[in-house]
Amino acid sequence: KAGVTQTPRYLIKTRGQQVTLSCSPISGHRSVSWYQQTPGQGLQFLFEYFSETQRNKGNFPGRFSGRQFSNSRSEMNVSTLELGDSALYLCASSLGTGGDRNIQYFGAGTRLSVL
Amino acid sequence: AQKITQTQPGMFVQEKEAVTLDCTYDTSDPSYGLFWYKQPSSGEMIFLIYQGSYDQQNATEGRYSLNFQKARKSANLVISASQLGDSAMYFCAMREWNFGNEKLTFGTGTRLTIIP
Repeated sequence: KAGVTQTPRYLIKTRGQQVTLSCSPISGHRSVSWYQQTPGQGLQFLFEYFSETQRNKGNFPGRFSGRQFSNSRSEMNVSTLELGDSALYLCASSLGTGGDRNIQYFGAGTRLSVL
Repeated sequence: AQKITQTQPGMFVQEKEAVTLDCTYDTSDPSYGLFWYKQPSSGEMIFLIYQGSYDQQNATEGRYSLNFQKARKSANLVISASQLGDSAMYFCAMREWNFGNEKLTFGTGTRLTIIP
């Protein structure tokens, strides 16, 4: 069974540009969550999508957005990039039932560098 | 207030020794889950073990066990017979069981180094 796949693995962008990251969840998983990891702020929750709907959102500016497709694949978009957006972006998938033993499995991440 | 606290920024342990990584949490929700993840230098977060707040017994997964002390709000990870491949960052995380809530709250992590 394939794991969570994130593409691309590495990205280099300049300030002001926009970027789109992709995440393909484990087959059968309907929930996809996104996290940002930086040395200063640690791991922070961005948002979660379930059945093509954003179900939960973290405390990030509106420049960060996402969507989910009918096959549960998800994309995350960051517009007007800032230097502080440089981070490892991790995607996690789960069944999305929200109850006991609902485990989130992570992809290898996309490392974004903003110059 | 920090919901997940990991007080050990780094640890050095001799190979084949057991190691305990500390984690304390804070929640007023009676229903929650506690997780441990391992993050090697490659960046991927690897799920290790899970403990539900209503579980009566401590969780175990191979060489990993979770020492769950509910009254103290602690969920320490124990790795028995450590191996060189255990060198990595380890994160404790919590999810509160509000319906539809998938959000994991992470601690700051512990960098574990296994010495040959």
